[in-house]
Amino acid sequence: GAGVSQSPRYKVAKRGQDVALRCDPISGHVSLFWYQQALGQGPEFLTYFQNEAQLDKSGLPSDRFFAERPEGSVSTLKIQRTQQEDSAVYLCASSLALVGGLAVYEQYFGPGTRLTVT
Amino acid sequence: GQNIDQPTEMTATEGAIVQINCTYQTSGFNGLFWYQQHAGEAPTFLSYNVLDGLEEKGRFSSFLSRSKGYSYLLLKELQMKDSASYLCAVRAQAGANNLFFGTGTRLTVIP
Repeated sequence: GAGVSQSPRYKVAKRGQDVALRCDPISGHVSLFWYQQALGQGPEFLTYFQNEAQLDKSGLPSDRFFAERPEGSVSTLKIQRTQQEDSAVYLCASSLALVGGLAVYEQYFGPGTRLTVT
Repeated sequence: GQNIDQPTEMTATEGAIVQINCTYQTSGFNGLFWYQQHAGEAPTFLSYNVLDGLEEKGRFSSFLSRSKGYSYLLLKELQMKDSASYLCAVRAQAGANNLFFGTGTRLTVIP
């Protein structure tokens, strides 16, 4: 019964560095989401996977952001050439329900990765 | 765009009742969620409303009026551990699972 896990929990990067953030969803969860949460704000949607397919990436702020989920379980969010405005907590969430299904669309969140770009 | 509004901060006394309001204007509506988030921790699911009315779950209740674009979260018998941020989120589209969140209401429970 493990929940969603994310690693690393904290990451400090110098401006211009590339970073990779990992998410392990709950086993069997079809849907996976990435959100960005700035200090004092609510999470903002970045991208969504159903199994290995990235169905929505409309929230990615620039082409420096890239996400993948090649085998339909673990996902990685990569940020290239990090900028100070990328400093935030990156939350991953997973959900059992399929798009269009009747199940409650409860999303289970991981603890997040706090990224600080200096 | 999607617009979800909730008060930034609230303070209430231990043992009391508090109501946190949320209004939304979204391109569509397919469910409203309330999450609790303690500082530095993951949001945890509290409630889900898709039809008008009140959903009760122990000390927590959530109400929805779709015609008014309005919801509230009611917390009864407040405990110190209820001090947290409460996030209102809307699923705007059928066929999409992503949520649009408000900025959260930081609730402080005082003795």
